Amino acid sequence: QITLKESGPTLVKPTQTLTLTCTFSGFSLSTSGVAVGWVRQPPGKALEWLALIYWDDDKRYSPSLKSRLTITKDTSKNQVVLTMTNMDPVDTATYYCAPGGGNNWFDPWGQGTLVTVSS
Amino acid sequence: QAVLTQPSSLSASPGASASLTCTLRSGINVGTYRIFWYQQKPGSPPQYLLRYKSDSDKHQGSGVPSRFSGSKDASANAGILLISGLQSEDEADYYCMIWHSNFWVFGGGTKLTVL
Repeated sequence: QITLKESGPTLVKPTQTLTLTCTFSGFSLSTSGVAVGWVRQPPGKALEWLALIYWDDDKRYSPSLKSRLTITKDTSKNQVVLTMTNMDPVDTATYYCAPGGGNNWFDPWGQGTLVTVSS
Repeated sequence: QAVLTQPSSLSASPGASASLTCTLRSGINVGTYRIFWYQQKPGSPPQYLLRYKSDSDKHQGSGVPSRFSGSKDASANAGILLISGLQSEDEADYYCMIWHSNFWVFGGGTKLTVL
């Protein structure tokens, strides 16, 4: 059974850097073809894909946020970390992580973590 | 123009069928893409429903009823999620997604009301 859980601060101040951790079980990021991605959803709005990291450390970022995002993995801990710099109130959202690879993408999702950006 | 466009809302009656569209931007050919569909209910994360590229390249999510199916309308350059035999529990937001130019793109979502 695959499970994922997002963790990190619930409140950050404008201009600060956000660091989120996705801890997962039921699969390994050292397996060929496997990846983990991050998606966010502002309250009442649509899903927005942020970043992706593959088993071989290949990374992909949303073009609109690329300059602010960094995704890394710790295979031994079954964790993926997303950092987002220069946080702004418009970045207030629920942040989700989910696995993918091959023909199967973003199934299942973590429960998400709500991050509020406010001074 | 957005890569993927979905109608913001759709209403249908219990027992009826609902056809949710996901229109690709002009210049992006729907025929070349696998389209993924997700369902999201209030307060819950999205859940994978299915993916569809063609009748020979499709996948149903685990436990997803067969009354959820995918197709394409090439003339409209759109992917379609068809839900037949609508039930009240199908009331939710639905999102489509494709892999385009080395990144994932979501549509804006359709809120389906069953009434």
